[in-house]
Amino acid sequence: AQSVTQPDIHITVSEGASLELRCNYSYGATPYLFWYVQSPGQGLQLLLKYFSGDTLVQGIKGFEAEFKRSQSSFNLRKPSVHWSDAAEYFCAVGGAGGSYIPTFGRGTSLIVHP
Amino acid sequence: KAGVTQTPRYLIKTRGQQVTLSCSPISGHRSVSWYQQTPGQGLQFLFEYFSETQRNKGNFPGRFSGRQFSNSRSEMNVSTLELGDSALYLCASRPAGDRGTEAFFGQGTRLTVV
Repeated sequence: AQSVTQPDIHITVSEGASLELRCNYSYGATPYLFWYVQSPGQGLQLLLKYFSGDTLVQGIKGFEAEFKRSQSSFNLRKPSVHWSDAAEYFCAVGGAGGSYIPTFGRGTSLIVHP
Repeated sequence: KAGVTQTPRYLIKTRGQQVTLSCSPISGHRSVSWYQQTPGQGLQFLFEYFSETQRNKGNFPGRFSGRQFSNSRSEMNVSTLELGDSALYLCASRPAGDRGTEAFFGQGTRLTVV
């Protein structure tokens, strides 16, 4: 069965500092990986996705993530955090084919200090 | 292209009542999934409909049901509401094909059971 672990429930960073959110997955084949962001009371917005090819993927809002098959990880990074990045971040794993429902991690809450 | 639309955005219901939530997917998307999000349990998959048929189902009691219409719009029904059903209910639509695991979310319906 597929699963996603986000080991950090909360992360606190200062504005302007770099950010890395961790995501580890378990999946039997080549995974499709996603990062979503959720602002309070809102739905989830896709930040970036990995299907195949280059293991470093660029997303919206200056985010990037790196797929490391050997470590079963797909960590999200941003070089300089803005106060507006404060939100909940979800990592998800899915498979090829529409019948495979993506599995979501429990989320990491990002707090940004001025 | 319009995004996923969920109505209503907010609902307050009394224990024992029933409720129906609506979701209009992105045009052309035939898959609609429903999720329950609570602070304690995170994002939990309820069920998925594809071409008017339930294709996947999560681990929720039979009080939770859904359906999909020929235009891909979906409704979710919860009968005999309990206090624990208070949550943000999210709908996600997905395109068909191999890239079908990429989910696009609506803003959610916040259900409060009193």
